[in-house]
Amino acid sequence: EVQLVESGGGLVQPGRSLRLSCAASGFRFDDYAMHWVRQAPGKGLEWVSGISWSSGGVGYGDSVRGRFIISRDNAKNSLYLQMNSLRAEDTAFYFCTKGSNADYDVALKFDSWGQGTLVAVSS
Amino acid sequence: DIQMTQSPSSLSASVGVRVTITCRASQSISSYLNWYQQKPGRAPKLLIYAASNLQSGVPSRFSGSGSGTDFTLTISSLQPEDFATYYCQQSFSTPPTFGQGTKLQIK
Repeated sequence: EVQLVESGGGLVQPGRSLRLSCAASGFRFDDYAMHWVRQAPGKGLEWVSGISWSSGGVGYGDSVRGRFIISRDNAKNSLYLQMNSLRAEDTAFYFCTKGSNADYDVALKFDSWGQGTLVAVSS
Repeated sequence: DIQMTQSPSSLSASVGVRVTITCRASQSISSYLNWYQQKPGRAPKLLIYAASNLQSGVPSRFSGSGSGTDFTLTISSLQPEDFATYYCQQSFSTPPTFGQGTKLQIK
């Protein structure tokens, strides 16, 4: 059974940084692209970032490009999201999701999701 | 970016009825369209991929159709556990984008 467990969320002041982690199990982690999708409280879904199986390809949504960095450690079956220069509009639940193939930018569908971790940006 | 528009935004229906939700893309996306179900306080769950393919474990009362710019999700006979919010998502190009959601409520 695929399991994705996020951690690292919390309350942070505007302009500060936070690092999210996602521990994966139940599948061959280094065969698949991984993604972060977020959801502001009471709002819809927004793709944040994706990374290919080998870290050779990465992508970001316009709202986070230049501030967030996605990475992965296949030896640890872990996905990360370094979030810098945080803004109030980054407040959301952040979901770790498994892609359906090795590349982050091909036929993207998210077939497994973690339970999410809440990031709240406020002074 | 490709814009995805769902209709209606909310819908009230009774158990046992047939329900259809529509999703329209701002440009042709072939059959690169997925549907998700999200219940309150839970993560989204993939229901349908590539417009009409049922994800493993999803009940057969769910079906999807369409291609190009217009797509539908149909629930043939609503069950109590189907009351949730449904999202479409295009996988034709990066960034993948979602519809705004359709909240299905009990009538």
